[in-house]
This record gives sequence, structure tokens and C-alpha cells, in this order.
Amino acid sequence: EVQLLESGGGLVQPGGSLRLSCTASGFSFSSYDMSWVRQTPGKGLEWVSFIQTDGSGTSYVDSVKGRFTISRDNSKNTLHLQMNSLRAEDTAIYYCAKGGTLDCWGQGTLVTVSS
Amino acid sequence: DIVMTQSPLSLPVTLGQPASISCRSSQSLVHSNGDTYLNWFHQRPGQSPRRLFYRVSNRDSGVPDRFSGSGSGTDFTLKISRVEAEDVGLYYCMQATHWPRTFGQGTRVEI
Repeated sequence: EVQLLESGGGLVQPGGSLRLSCTASGFSFSSYDMSWVRQTPGKGLEWVSFIQTDGSGTSYVDSVKGRFTISRDNSKNTLHLQMNSLRAEDTAIYYCAKGGTLDCWGQGTLVTVSS
Repeated sequence: DIVMTQSPLSLPVTLGQPASISCRSSQSLVHSNGDTYLNWFHQRPGQSPRRLFYRVSNRDSGVPDRFSGSGSGTDFTLKISRVEAEDVGLYYCMQATHWPRTFGQGTRVEI
């Protein structure tokens, strides 16, 4: 059974940093592209970032470019999202998802950016 | 960015009756390779989203056959032939042809 387990969310002040992790199991992690998606009550679902199988290719939504960095450790079946210079509008539930077309999602981790 | 527009945004339904959700894109979703990367997701209250369809009409494993996906170019539809209670929640379309990937606003289906 495919499982994705996010961690690392929490409360952070504006301008702060957080590192999200997603631990994968039940599939060959190194064979799949991976993605991050976030959800806010007011804006619905928003695709955030994508990374190819070997980490050689990445993509970001414009609103996080230069602030967020996606990475992966295929030896540990783990996906990361380093989030710097956080803003109030980054407050959301962050999901990791398998593949570029999001065929399986984790349970999400809540990030709250507030002073 | 490609704008995905769903309608209606709220859909009251009756158990056993059909339901339909429209999704329109601001540009064609036909990729240069000829495929159309339009996906549908369902999110039940308190749960993570779950993919229902990929590439317009390919049903994911475990998705009941009362659900169907259709469309082409810029105009797509998700249909439920007979609504059941477990079908309530939010439905989203998403395009994966162009960067950045974009979602529709979501359609809330309620009994």
C-alpha cells in the first residue's frame, strides 16, 4: 500500500523558515517524480512544486520561487520542502503527492505563519 | 498561467440522481505529445484529495464506474450517473499540460 507521511509543519513567524519532509513507502520512491501541493480555505488547492526522479529537474509556482526549495533523498525515500522567508499567505496545509499528476496524497501538515 | 474554471461551484444533488461538473481551461490542454493532461480529484470532508481520473477519462483504481470523465481541448466534464451519499465533498479539476500546474476553484457537492 502506498503511504506518504508529511511532517515538519508548525507555527512560525513571518520571515522565518521551516523544512517539511515526506516519507514514502509502498512503492519504488526513486522511480517516481514527486510534488507538493497546498490548500487554504480561501484559495482551494494550489500546486507548489515538482521534482523529477533523480532531482535533476524542479519547478515552482511563481509565488514561492526564490524562497522554497524542493529536494529528495532517494536513499531514505524522503521528499523535502525547505521554506524560507515565510509570509502570512503561505499559511496552508501542505501535501506531498506521488507523481506529476498526483495519483496519491499524504495526510498533510499544517503550516501557520503568524506573529 | 492557465486558468481553470469550474461550474457550478456548489451543486445540491439528490441521491440516485445524476450530477455533472464542468471544467474549462483558458488554453488548450493538448500537450505537444498529443495527450491531454486533465485530472479530476475528490476530497471528502476531513480527508486528503484523491485522484479520480487522469488524462481526461482514465479512471483510477477503486473509482466506481458511476463516475465518468470526458472532454477535449478546453472543455471537460465529470459526471456521476447516480449520486450516492459517499460522493459528497469537493471536486477539483487540474491541468498538468502546462507549467505551473493549476487547479479549478472546486465544486462542493452536497445532498
